[in-house]
Amino acid sequence: KQEVTQIPAALSVPEGENLVLNCSFTDSAIYNLQWFRQDPGKGLTSLLLIQSSQREQTSGRLNASLDKSSGRSTLYIAASQPGDSATYLCAVNSGSRLTFGEGTQLTVNP
Amino acid sequence: DTAVSQTPKYLVTQMGNDKSIKCEQNLGHDTMYWYKQDSKKFLKIMFSYNNKELIINETVPNRFSPKSPDKAHLNLHINSLELGDSAVYFCASSQGTFGETQYFGPGTRLLVL
Repeated sequence: KQEVTQIPAALSVPEGENLVLNCSFTDSAIYNLQWFRQDPGKGLTSLLLIQSSQREQTSGRLNASLDKSSGRSTLYIAASQPGDSATYLCAVNSGSRLTFGEGTQLTVNP
Repeated sequence: DTAVSQTPKYLVTQMGNDKSIKCEQNLGHDTMYWYKQDSKKFLKIMFSYNNKELIINETVPNRFSPKSPDKAHLNLHINSLELGDSAVYFCASSQGTFGETQYFGPGTRLLVL
């Protein structure tokens, strides 16, 4: 059974700082890994998707890496802004379902 | 245009009632899902349908019954609502079944009193 863990559970940083969110999973037999953003009271916005054959994906200030053999992914956010404040969810696709981590709640202080 | 839509957005009801949540996607996808996000914000899959056929049924009480009238719609009916059913329910869709990007709806916030 796939299990996904995200560390840290919460993170507070000053504006402008670069930061890394961590995600680990127990079963390396995955199709892809997806990072989502969830704002309070809102739905999920897909940020990046990394296929199992890829090592990283970039979108603007976001960079996600994947090390399938060690069961790890990181989401790097450069030059953080207050608008980046949200909960970030990592989800592993093992076939026909997504298994989510519990999320990292990020606060970027002006 | 909204890709995956859910109605209602909020639902407040009494224990014991029966309620339905509707989901529609206009992406032309073949597969649709229901996820539940509990009070601790943990998201977990409940059901998955591909071309109107059930393919995933997690350990969910049989008070929950999904219905897919066509591949663009997946509704969730809940009988005899309990306090523990209070959560946010998300619908999602994907083109295929395996390894496809899933697109999520805005969620339905259910509160059972």
